[in-house]
Amino acid sequence: DQQVKQNSPSLSVQEGRISILNCDYTNSMFDYFLWYKKYPAEGPTFLISISSIKDKNEDGRFTVFLNKSAKHLSLHIVPSQPGDSAVYFCAARGSNYKLTFGKGTLLTVNP
Amino acid sequence: DGGITQSPKYLFRKEGQNVTLSCEQNLNHDAMYWYRQDPGQGLRLIYYSQIVNDFQKGDIAEGYSVSREKKESFPLTVTSAQKNPTAFYLCASSKGRELNNEQFFGPGTRLTVL
Repeated sequence: DQQVKQNSPSLSVQEGRISILNCDYTNSMFDYFLWYKKYPAEGPTFLISISSIKDKNEDGRFTVFLNKSAKHLSLHIVPSQPGDSAVYFCAARGSNYKLTFGKGTLLTVNP
Repeated sequence: DGGITQSPKYLFRKEGQNVTLSCEQNLNHDAMYWYRQDPGQGLRLIYYSQIVNDFQKGDIAEGYSVSREKKESFPLTVTSAQKNPTAFYLCASSKGRELNNEQFFGPGTRLTVL
C-alpha cells in the first residue's frame, strides 16, 4: 500500500523553463512534507519542506505547494538549470515521526 | 565538520555471509535511520532508533539487525536470512521528534552479494 505516490517516473524540461514535480498522498495524518534531491550513488539532500498548516513555502528558485483537500503537493523549480538534473523524492511525516518516501521522479534539464 | 559517514562505499560479500554496514554521525542527533534503495522503489525504512539503546523495526526489517549502543553509531547487519540483500543502503539522522524531522543522509553503501 503506497501512501506517497510520485506518478511520473521522469520529467524532461528545457533550461530556463519551469519544472513541476508532483506528489500525491493517501494518509490524512501526515503533518509535514519534504522534498529531497538525489544524485546517483549519493545520499539524498534536503531541499525544501512544508507544514500541513501552510499551503506554500518558497526558498529561492524552489517553491512547494500543498493542497490538503486534494492530498497533493508539488515542487516548482524556476528557472530550471542543468545542475538541477537529479532524482527528486517526496516524503511525508506520519506516526512516530517516521518519513514515508515516494519512488522518486528523475528530472532532466536540457541545456 | 559535522556530518554522517558510511563505510565502505562499495562492499562485496558471498551469499550466506553476514555483513555489517557502519554509520557514524557527529551532528549530536538523537534519531538515526537505515533505508535501502532499489531501482524504481524509492527509499524503504529498515530500522530506526530515536534514542540510545532503543530501536524499532521499519517496513522491511526481516533479515536485518541493528544496535544503538552509542549516540553516534548505528550499525546495520545484513544477515544471511535477507533474501535479496544486494542494494544501496542509506543511513540518516535527525535531531529527534520534538523538532521538524529533517533527516540528513550519509553517502550510502552499495552492497553486492555474489
